[in-house]
Amino acid sequence: NAGVMQNPRHLVRRRGQEARLRCSPMKGHSHVYWYRQLPEEGLKFMVYLQKENIIDESGMPKERFSAEFPKEGPSILRIQQVVRGDSAAYFCASSALQMNTEAFFGQGTRLTVV
Amino acid sequence: GDSVTQMEGPVTLSEEAFLTINCTYTATGYPSLFWYVQYPGEGLQLLLKATKADDKGSNKGFEATYRKETTSFHLEKGSVQVSDSAVYFCALSDLGAGGTSYGKLTFGQGTILTVHP
Repeated sequence: NAGVMQNPRHLVRRRGQEARLRCSPMKGHSHVYWYRQLPEEGLKFMVYLQKENIIDESGMPKERFSAEFPKEGPSILRIQQVVRGDSAAYFCASSALQMNTEAFFGQGTRLTVV
Repeated sequence: GDSVTQMEGPVTLSEEAFLTINCTYTATGYPSLFWYVQYPGEGLQLLLKATKADDKGSNKGFEATYRKETTSFHLEKGSVQVSDSAVYFCALSDLGAGGTSYGKLTFGQGTILTVHP
């Protein structure tokens, strides 16, 4: 059973470009979470999605950031017009349908904005 | 809001030394508490968890006890190995405060542990 798969592992974007980060949850998991880890800081919750629904986006910046989890395919975290401050590691986690179940993390995507 | 505070790092120990990494929390409701570990180049893995006061989580020789009176969840291991070198994160999930699942976590800043032979 493959784990949570994130790609790319490393992404370099110039200021003003768009960044698209992908996350394929574990087989059978229908809940996806995105976290951001800035340098020297812990992980910060961004958004929680189920298939075709955003459940909790309380941690998402109000502008330039969006997330989706379509019926088919991976979850996508999209950052428009990236700035240097967006440089960070972005982690995805997934969990099964039941509420009180562990979330499994991917290896992360390290975004560098130059 | 909820928050988690871990002891300042990094921590450097010799093999077979005793390990303690302190973790304290503040939460609106009655949280579940977790320790995650991140080995170099890998994602976070759940190390152990506790869901109610006085519960002790344990795994791979690590243990932590949920202390509600001191709002703490300190990680301990009696004899560390070189293979324990990693980053350790304390985290909480506050379902009682409207949290939606264990996947929505509040993390501490992480503690880097290096164990020398």
